[in-house]
Amino acid sequence: EAQVTQNPRYLITVTGKKLTVTCSQNMNHEYMSWYRQDPGLGLRQIYYSMNVEVTDKGDVPEGYKVSRKEKRNFPLILESPSPNQTSLYFCASSFLGAGSPLHFGNGTRLTVT
Amino acid sequence: SQQGEEDPQALSIQEGENATMNCSYKTSINNLQWYRQNSGRGLVHLILIRSNEREKHSGRLRVTLDTSKKSSSLLITASRAADTASYFCATGSDSWGKLQFGAGTQVVVTP
Repeated sequence: EAQVTQNPRYLITVTGKKLTVTCSQNMNHEYMSWYRQDPGLGLRQIYYSMNVEVTDKGDVPEGYKVSRKEKRNFPLILESPSPNQTSLYFCASSFLGAGSPLHFGNGTRLTVT
Repeated sequence: SQQGEEDPQALSIQEGENATMNCSYKTSINNLQWYRQNSGRGLVHLILIRSNEREKHSGRLRVTLDTSKKSSSLLITASRAADTASYFCATGSDSWGKLQFGAGTQVVVTP
């Protein structure tokens, strides 16, 4: 089954403790992206990747890192999480960039205390 | 900053009625997409319309795009309770990397 898999589904952590949210897709998509969703703000793009070793900033990249060492994986790294990064995070992929339909994962709800 | 803004923020209708929501954006676009989200789960793609297109249909969905007014509308005909969800428009200024979402329209369809 074609899918985007995020882990974990829920995560509670403390300020400053490094964490990684994993994202994997099995559709051989070139493009992957991370979004955060906050009430009243819709989805805001954090980072995106057009291909292996090619990443770029979205609208809200501060406090986040990404890497794309393999085509299928696009982990999101918070090196020193802060409470303002408490949010619902989504990974998405598409065949060819932002001009083709995105497939979304089921989300990771992160709470930073 | 958000590119697209949906209107209304919330919409409550009865089954069988049509639901219309609008999306306005600020800068020129390459494409505009509509997505549905059920209760905080992952978004599901509905329709993609390119800047040189004016209208697209998919089942009970109809999307229009007016680039002169920088706006799009999504019409759901003959609504069902299962259409209860949040609907988001997303705009891409090119077909490359950035895709910006609006804050969404929350639609409730009552039986």
